[in-house]
Amino acid sequence: GAVVSQHPSRVICKSGTSVKIECRSLDFQATTMFWYRQFPKQSLMLMATSNEGSKATYEQGVEKDKFLINHASLTLSTLTVTSAHPEDSSFYICSAGGKVDTQYFGPGTRLTVL
Amino acid sequence: SQQGEEDPQALSIQEGENATMNCSYKTSINNLQWYRQNSGRGLVHLILIRSNEREKHSGRLRVTLDTSKKSSSLLITASRAADTASYFCAAGGSNYKLTFGKGTLLTVNP
Repeated sequence: GAVVSQHPSRVICKSGTSVKIECRSLDFQATTMFWYRQFPKQSLMLMATSNEGSKATYEQGVEKDKFLINHASLTLSTLTVTSAHPEDSSFYICSAGGKVDTQYFGPGTRLTVL
Repeated sequence: SQQGEEDPQALSIQEGENATMNCSYKTSINNLQWYRQNSGRGLVHLILIRSNEREKHSGRLRVTLDTSKKSSSLLITASRAADTASYFCAAGGSNYKLTFGKGTLLTVNP
């Protein structure tokens, strides 16, 4: 089956630093990847759609300069949280588009900003 | 984009009982999907029902879709303790885009 990995699974950083999260499709090529954010006991909120070789499309209210997305290859997308603050602490999940209508989700990254 | 609503928000049942979760959505859809999430983990795709389908089965799962009411239901039969998780519906639009509901936390007691 289609496998999507994320790295790191957990990260703790100091306020003001930047954190990069990687999302990889391990056994298939993904033209489109998605980044979600999930607060405790809440649902997933789509942050942006990442297309290989082009700029990401951000959802309303998501700061593109704060959440930098790069989709340099068909198997890798990265999300960089720049100048992180405690309110950025959250669970970040990526997914990759596979067969028509299907997304395969990564295991998530728990970010804690001190 | 607006999210759908699931009800109930939390459901606690005994092993062997059936669990029914409902979902409503606001936009037009290509499909409606259900996912499962164990605490602190990623999402696992359970089942997809297309907008022109009314009912679909997969093992112990049964999903219905009523596009006139913009609602869907997920039935898990003969529940097991291992089914304990959060369940989310997601409205599928164009270009793979999904809009998630708020989720139902299901607890199956042994």
